[in-house]
Amino acid sequence: ELKVEQNPLFLSMQEGKNYTIYCNYSTTSDRLYWYRQDPGKSLESLFVLLSNGAVKQEGRLMASLDTKARLSTLHITAAVHDLSATYFCAVDRGNSGYALNFGKGTSLLVTP
Amino acid sequence: GAGVSQTPSNKVTEKGKYVELRCDPISGHTALYWYRQSLGQGPEFLIYFQGTGAADDSGLPNDRFFAVRPEGSVSTLKIQRTERGDSAVYLCASSLLGGVNTGELFFGEGSRLTVL
Repeated sequence: ELKVEQNPLFLSMQEGKNYTIYCNYSTTSDRLYWYRQDPGKSLESLFVLLSNGAVKQEGRLMASLDTKARLSTLHITAAVHDLSATYFCAVDRGNSGYALNFGKGTSLLVTP
Repeated sequence: GAGVSQTPSNKVTEKGKYVELRCDPISGHTALYWYRQSLGQGPEFLIYFQGTGAADDSGLPNDRFFAVRPEGSVSTLKIQRTERGDSAVYLCASSLLGGVNTGELFFGEGSRLTVL
């Protein structure tokens, strides 16, 4: 069974600081997705990573994928309060229909 | 519609009752997915449809849960004899399949189910 593990699960960081969230998964996959969820809201797609070495950047967030290590990272640069949310990584279950298994999420709080 | 629509947004029911949750996917999306999210957890896969057929229902927790998509568009998740442990937010998502599509899932706002 495909397992997706994120760490840390909780992260409190000061504005302006940098940090990295890690996502490990247990079986071979070339598709990894990052989603953001605000409290009481649904999931918003952030990044789609479709091959080994893929790197995507949007504003202060950058995501990368190493399929050999079965690892993705979400790097936060110079955090701002608006980035406070829960971030999920999700990996393709491998049944060709893009169904995903999600990690437990990283709850990020950015403080002044 | 412009996005994935789910109804009801909130449902409170008593233990043992039957519940139906509806999902209307983005127009033209061939794949539809149901997830369940408990408080403080990531979404848990339940079932996905390609067209009218359930391509993978391995996430359904037991035979009290059933889902249909009779015309390949709207889907209904049905829960019989509800239990308190069924309380969660039920999320629906849709996506395009094939070709150059990235497989990105687009989620609805969810249906919050509370079983008393």
